[in-house]
Formats: sequence, structure tokens, C-alpha cells
Amino acid sequence: SYELTQPPSVSVSPGQTARITCSGDALPDQYANWYQQKPGQAPVLVIYKDTERPSDISERFSGSTSGTTVMLTISGVQSADEADYYCQSADSSGIGMVFGGGTKLTVL
Amino acid sequence: QVKLVESGGGVVQPGRSLRLSCEVSGFTFSSSGMNWVRQAPGKGLEWMAVISYEGSEKNYADAVKGRFIISRDNSKNTLYLDMNSLRIEDTAVYYCAQGTSLGHWGQGTLVIVSS
Repeated sequence: SYELTQPPSVSVSPGQTARITCSGDALPDQYANWYQQKPGQAPVLVIYKDTERPSDISERFSGSTSGTTVMLTISGVQSADEADYYCQSADSSGIGMVFGGGTKLTVL
Repeated sequence: QVKLVESGGGVVQPGRSLRLSCEVSGFTFSSSGMNWVRQAPGKGLEWMAVISYEGSEKNYADAVKGRFIISRDNSKNTLYLDMNSLRIEDTAVYYCAQGTSLGHWGQGTLVIVSS
């Protein structure tokens, strides 16, 4: 079955830039979305269609894509950004969905 | 504002059934595809099922295909998930989420499958 691969953890200091990758063979052909989930809360969409940002999400969040890898970049990281981040895309059928395993962002 | 409220979770024995509901407001439900996503305790997100805006098209993850049924009632702005033949590994928080980009989520309802 189709999989999206994320690093389990990323650590950055406050004010630095965090970069979280997500790899999948079909990513050149399918859009990816990114979600932030804080403990005990529902996920929140932070990037959709690879690079688009919802209007209520900070400009510090951005998305990019290169071949089979998409990346979530968080600039000027704050303690409030500490959370789990998940990428998501269509599965091999193009109808269902698949999530990456999630990346825990730690702000040192 | 957009609101999605799940209900119907609880403790159920293996092999039994449960129906989850997701009542929505703040957007045109009848124009939106809808999904169920679950999260086992301490684990990541797992997509379960999707239904088209009018209910004619449905798709399921392999883990629940043949056991779970997604449906909707656009007159009631409500999404459903009928879960049958429940297994211990179905224990999770179940979320409903809107659209292909999962732009809005409910707060989730906890299902515990235990004898």
C-alpha cells in the first residue's frame, strides 16, 4: 500500500527555521496537505495543495515541493508551534487518502 | 462559524456495532465531501472513509472495508459512520473532517472496544 514518509522528530531553537519533509512516490502527481495537531486537540489544516495557506494561518508557515518530496517550513519558530505535524495526500486509487506517520516538532 | 460535532462514541465489546454521528453547521454541508479519520491512543492519523457531497460515491480504507459504512443525511446536516464487527484495534478517537483538504475537523469522539 502507498506510504508517505516523515521524520519522527525535528528540533529547533526559538526564532530558527523548522523544515519537515514528507516523501512519497506519487507526490509529483498528487497535491499534499499539512496539519498541525497539539496534544488533546483536533488537527488543524496549515497548508493545502502543496503551497497554499488558509487565511487564518500565520505567514510563517509555508509549503514547497520538489519531485517526490514536499516540505513544510516554519520560519521564526515559537514555542506555540510545538506540535505534531502530518502530511496527507491521495492514496494510490486517487480517491482515498493517506497520512504520513507524523513529525513531532520540539522547540528547544 | 464552522462547527462539526461528533457523537456516539463509548465502550463496546468486540464484535458489536456502534453508530457515530457528525452534525455540522456554518457551511453548505450538501455541497461538501466528508471524511472520517481516526487516531488510536498515542498513534498517528489514519483515514477511514470518504463520501461525496450527494452520497453516491464512497470509499474506504482497507482496514475497515466491509465492516464500516459511511452515509449522510443532507436534510439533517449530519454525517454517519456505522461500525460493525468491531475489533480491539478499532479503539481510537474518531474525527469527521470536511472536504478533500480536510479544512475543518470536529473535536472527535472516543470509541473503546474492550471486553
